[in-house]
Amino acid sequence: AQSVTQPDIHITVSEGASLELRCNYSYGATPYLFWYVQSPGQGLQLLLKYFSGDTLVQGIKGFEAEFKRSQSSFNLRKPSVHWSDAAEYFCAVGTFAGNNRKLIWGLGTSLAVNP
Amino acid sequence: EAGVTQFPSHSVIEKGQTVTLRCDPISGHDNLYWYRRVMGKEIKFLLHFVKESKQDESGMPNNRFLAERTGGTYSTLKVQPAELEDSGVYFCASSHGTGVRDTQYFGPGTRLTVL
Repeated sequence: AQSVTQPDIHITVSEGASLELRCNYSYGATPYLFWYVQSPGQGLQLLLKYFSGDTLVQGIKGFEAEFKRSQSSFNLRKPSVHWSDAAEYFCAVGTFAGNNRKLIWGLGTSLAVNP
Repeated sequence: EAGVTQFPSHSVIEKGQTVTLRCDPISGHDNLYWYRRVMGKEIKFLLHFVKESKQDESGMPNNRFLAERTGGTYSTLKVQPAELEDSGVYFCASSHGTGVRDTQYFGPGTRLTVL
């Protein structure tokens, strides 16, 4: 069955520290992978996506993610976290069956940033 | 360009009442999706419209939920009668493409509380 696992429910980092949020997926075909962020009081904003090609994907706000097929992972990274990065982060895989399309989501990782 | 908008942002109703949520997609986007996040659980797909037609409604929980998209523009999601377990955040998304490389853009969500 298709699924997305985000092992870390909550993460706390200090401002300026590096960040890695983990995401593992289970999907039989070529995965189309996404990271979205939800800041407090805001909607879901697309950070980055992977469809094919270069396995290191750059996104907005200084985030990047690396697709590793052998590990079924799509981890999100940022070299230096800012206080404004405190938010909830969601990994998702796009599934396609004919014209049917939907996203399968992980539980999300809540990020807190200490000053 | 305006993003996806949803109304209301919050709704508090009593069990047994009816609530209607509205979503206005990005102009020109033929695809419209509804998702729901129940507290403590992952975001789950509800249904997918292509223009005014329901392409996939496999995620709709039961027949108390009715979604419409008249004229292929905005969509409504009606819950009648509402039950306690319907509480959660309802997200709407829209997308433009028809291929697998299609990106969904989300609205801010409607937080529904059923008392």
